[in-house]
Amino acid sequence: AQSVTQPDARVTVSEGASLQLRCKYSYSGTPYLFWYVQYPRQGLQLLLKYYSGDPVVQGVNGFEAEFSKSNSSFHLRKASVHWSDSAVYFCVLSAGNSAGNKLTFGIGTRVLVRP
Amino acid sequence: GALVYQYPRRTICKSGTSMRMECQAVGFQATSVAWYRQSPQKTFELIALSTVNSAIKYEQNFTQEKFPISHPNLSFSSMTVLNAYLEDRGLYLCGAREDTGQLYFGEGSKLTVL
Repeated sequence: AQSVTQPDARVTVSEGASLQLRCKYSYSGTPYLFWYVQYPRQGLQLLLKYYSGDPVVQGVNGFEAEFSKSNSSFHLRKASVHWSDSAVYFCVLSAGNSAGNKLTFGIGTRVLVRP
Repeated sequence: GALVYQYPRRTICKSGTSMRMECQAVGFQATSVAWYRQSPQKTFELIALSTVNSAIKYEQNFTQEKFPISHPNLSFSSMTVLNAYLEDRGLYLCGAREDTGQLYFGEGSKLTVL
């Protein structure tokens, strides 16, 4: 079985401050990990993904995430947030990269950036 | 570029009626299509996964009788919510994966049930 835990339901930060969103996963094999963002009244947009290699992956809009096998984590970071980063962020796990692999979503973390 | 279009974006239906939604892969051929539902204040749940040359696999709590899916070719999938009730409301998301493993999501079809 696979699972994803996002322990923070809501995070509020001031514009210009740094942001870290936590994600822990449970999976016995090699995970494929993603961070998606959902802006108000929209679908999902991919921020970044990790398959293998360098544990720090760069994404769009200044986001990066760090994979840790020992901690079973894939935390998302941004050095300086903008008000437009207010959204819900989902950590997602896939057991593989082939057609038959389903995705397991975390509960999501709602980020509010104060001006 | 590769995109996934979902139609309609929003639907309001009366309780007990049905609603059909479509998912079109553009710019690539989808080796699998997955349908998810995001109920209010919840995360995305997998409804079913449809893979080329395999039967459609439904997750626990979702059935073909309630959510029939058609996946006639590598670019198109449709799903119907039959006999919709309040608990069926939410955002229905289509995710299509191409043979490289790259995954694309549509914008979603939002269902409101009155």
